[in-house]
Amino acid sequence: GDSVTQMEGPVTLSEEAFLTINCTYTATGYPSLFWYVQYPGEGLQLLLKATKADDKGSNKGFEATYRKETTSFHLEKGSVQVSDSAVYFCALRDSGNTPLVFGKGTRLSVIA
Amino acid sequence: DGGITQSPKYLFRKEGQNVTLSCEQNLNHDAMYWYRQDPGQGLRLIYYSQIVNDFQKGDIAEGYSVSREKKESFPLTVTSAQKNPTAFYLCASSIAGGLLYNEQFFGPGTRLTVL
Repeated sequence: GDSVTQMEGPVTLSEEAFLTINCTYTATGYPSLFWYVQYPGEGLQLLLKATKADDKGSNKGFEATYRKETTSFHLEKGSVQVSDSAVYFCALRDSGNTPLVFGKGTRLSVIA
Repeated sequence: DGGITQSPKYLFRKEGQNVTLSCEQNLNHDAMYWYRQDPGQGLRLIYYSQIVNDFQKGDIAEGYSVSREKKESFPLTVTSAQKNPTAFYLCASSIAGGLLYNEQFFGPGTRLTVL
């Protein structure tokens, strides 16, 4: 079945450091890919998405590129802030009307 | 404002009691979902519904039940058959229609603690 694998956390970075969170996927079809963010005690919010190969999703300084050849959708940010501390989830949908399939999440802590 | 409401935010129950978690949305979405979140486990799908009066089991449906009598409401009952019900429960909704890129919108979650 479909699956998403994320790098294990926690990831701890100093403010203004470069962030990469790896995400790879397995899917039978041609999925859409998503990154969600969860702040402490809250629900998930969509951060960005991409729907076809070589698409780049971007939002709030975060970006991720849909790489079909490596089945990856790595999340990057050039300069993290303390306010970026959260749990980040990679997800996919492989066919219409089905729920998103989520990775296990990666906790990011940014220290001043 | 449109959104998803889950109530209450914190819920405490004694072991052996059934408990119902509320989820309401005013986004006019057809599809609704329930997930369970445990530390280190990510999100696991319990049940989902793509249309009123119809729902499907997810990966961990045992010990849970749902109903979908109205488009805007999708309550989840955690029964006494659920072996380890203490967790954070998230409700979500999305536009149906077979489009891969439709995102899911999430509620704020309910943290259930069984004593």
